[in-house]
Amino acid sequence: GAGVSQSPSNKVTEKGKDVELRCDPISGHTALYWYRQSLGQGLEFLIYFQGNSAPDKSGLPSDRFSAERTGGSVSTLTIQRTQQEDSAVYLCASTRDRVSYEQYFGPGTRLTVT
Amino acid sequence: DAKTTQPPSMDCAEGRAANLPCNHSTISGNEYVYWYRQIHSQGPQYIIHGLKNNETNEMASLIITEDRKSSTLILPHATLRDTAVYYCIVRASPTGANSKLTFGKGITLSVRP
Repeated sequence: GAGVSQSPSNKVTEKGKDVELRCDPISGHTALYWYRQSLGQGLEFLIYFQGNSAPDKSGLPSDRFSAERTGGSVSTLTIQRTQQEDSAVYLCASTRDRVSYEQYFGPGTRLTVT
Repeated sequence: DAKTTQPPSMDCAEGRAANLPCNHSTISGNEYVYWYRQIHSQGPQYIIHGLKNNETNEMASLIITEDRKSSTLILPHATLRDTAVYYCIVRASPTGANSKLTFGKGITLSVRP
């Protein structure tokens, strides 16, 4: 079946602009994660959604970052007033349920802030 | 979550077994060992996980020492497509709370022709 998809695959934006990144998880998966990966670094957790529970936002680096998940499916990560240090690959992952061991990752969105 | 230590890189010849080591000396009793890999320009891919018994699936084998302080991921017949960064992660079993994965730098495996 279809995997996790993300759009756009690449985004170049000017410093100070807002951007929205989209994640379509695998159908039926109830848990969704956002991570980011800066050049040459490991993955950094950003935010976690599970069903209708309040999201865990403990990884968001600043209040310029926010995310929502509508209808328990698609998620959007929004970065306001982008800065150059926001340049990274933003990865989304979903799991079948809250106790699944395996996270399925999308291909990521490469964000470049100029 | 317990920290893991992996060498930064290794290489192996195509068709040979690739043995990727990982140290996790501070692992606690309820923590699992997970392996993911990330091929260039792709998202990470789950490979295998285990608690204390050795595990095998269609992708790889996971050998965990008896004291659980280290493990080895074995790719039995490496191919060029196995060239990737391999991440060893230690984490408690998912319980419903945030089961985020904490990725380190991983080990870069280069498979040579």
